[in-house]
Amino acid sequence: AQKITQTQPGMFVQEKEAVTLDCTYDTSDPSYGLFWYKQPSSGEMIFLIYQGSYDQQNATEGRYSLNFQKARKSANLVISASQLGDSAMYFCAVFYQGAQKLVFGQGTRLTINP
Amino acid sequence: GAGVSQSPSNKVTEKGKDVELRCDPISGHTALYWYRQSLGQGLEFLIYFQGNSAPDKSGLPSDRFSAERTGGSVSTLTIQRTQQEDSAVYLCASSLGSASGANVLTFGAGSRLTVL
Repeated sequence: AQKITQTQPGMFVQEKEAVTLDCTYDTSDPSYGLFWYKQPSSGEMIFLIYQGSYDQQNATEGRYSLNFQKARKSANLVISASQLGDSAMYFCAVFYQGAQKLVFGQGTRLTINP
Repeated sequence: GAGVSQSPSNKVTEKGKDVELRCDPISGHTALYWYRQSLGQGLEFLIYFQGNSAPDKSGLPSDRFSAERTGGSVSTLTIQRTQQEDSAVYLCASSLGSASGANVLTFGAGSRLTVL
């Protein structure tokens, strides 16, 4: 099965706080890639961070880090020191090497309050 | 081009009419994807082209949907006899090869389809 689950449809966080967005996935593939995208109200899809299934270290990109727990099939996104501009939809996605397909979760709407 | 270009950006059509949506990927990108995003929802995979290989059409919701990619570049998504449930934003994305940290998908701005 190729199912991505984002259990938090919406989250509200105070500016400057850290926030964790949850993502779990199904796979029997040994090789896959994990992506997080941001979609602001303008609708564009913005790539944030990538983690390969064989990567030993958790990926980090500036204020973004990916908490990868392979055994739990979990790839949570952590945003440190949140900013008002972080308010957007966030999508977790998995690239299945076998199927050569990038599958997205339903997304989490994050709202940063001043 | 510098990015993935999609046209039209907005299309309003009447139920039963055919529509064509165009995607011009980044030059040199061999992989091209179409996704559909209904209001407030996630991205639903439609079809995937990789080089000269046969496309993966497993996500097309019905036989009213078809897509082609000419010369390994521009792609056209065609919806025949449109229905109201086809109303959505259709997103195109391309990458250099199989998606990875080195080959991140770049998305276009989307084509918003409204079927009256």
